[in-house]
Amino acid sequence: SAVISQKPSRDICQRGTSLTIQCQVDSQVTMMFWYRQQPGQSLTLIATANQGSEATYESGFVIDKFPISRPNLTFSTLTVSNMSPEDSSIYLCSVTIGTAFAYTFGSGTRLTVV
Amino acid sequence: QQQVKQSPQSLIVQKGGISIINCAYENTAFDYFPWYQQFPGKGPALLIAIRPDVSEKKEGRFTISFNKSAKQFSLHIMDSQPGDSATYFCAASTSSNTGKLIFGQGTTLQVKP
Repeated sequence: SAVISQKPSRDICQRGTSLTIQCQVDSQVTMMFWYRQQPGQSLTLIATANQGSEATYESGFVIDKFPISRPNLTFSTLTVSNMSPEDSSIYLCSVTIGTAFAYTFGSGTRLTVV
Repeated sequence: QQQVKQSPQSLIVQKGGISIINCAYENTAFDYFPWYQQFPGKGPALLIAIRPDVSEKKEGRFTISFNKSAKQFSLHIMDSQPGDSATYFCAASTSSNTGKLIFGQGTTLQVKP
């Protein structure tokens, strides 16, 4: 399975600012996803990061708030823009390889907005 | 229709006992049902998964039981150990839906020594 490096692992940010989270994978992957896990909650899919094109966002998530880039098959970034305390969550990168459905998750970025 | 409902929310089991977590789904197009284990401060890790063409899959102490007609599946942890204490998530996806995983609400399992 792929090894995912996610940076930063945690951060405390001021409201109104933006944070970019990086996801680096040690091998080429087919699909890359970004999930949000609010405190004590389940995982909610934010978007699918598409290589070389705009990400596909789920209902309730918009590009202006969560811009995503995926310049190649092993790297993606998620930006949380104009943050408010409600954005305090764990943000997780997830990947699949080939046609396999075994999703691998990074350790996540724990974001606190104050 | 995209929801996956998981129960119970929390579970306390004695060491050596059986832990059982249940999930139900509505979308009959789902064709992949994994279980993930998450420890504090870590991302979810795939534990075991099943496809609807089988009714049961066993890997070590972990077993998935799948009931296609009832649209339910469950995770059984035999001989539960304190090291199994974690949060467990069921999930589902469809081959045709770009493989997006839909997660259940999660179950926090505590195994008492």
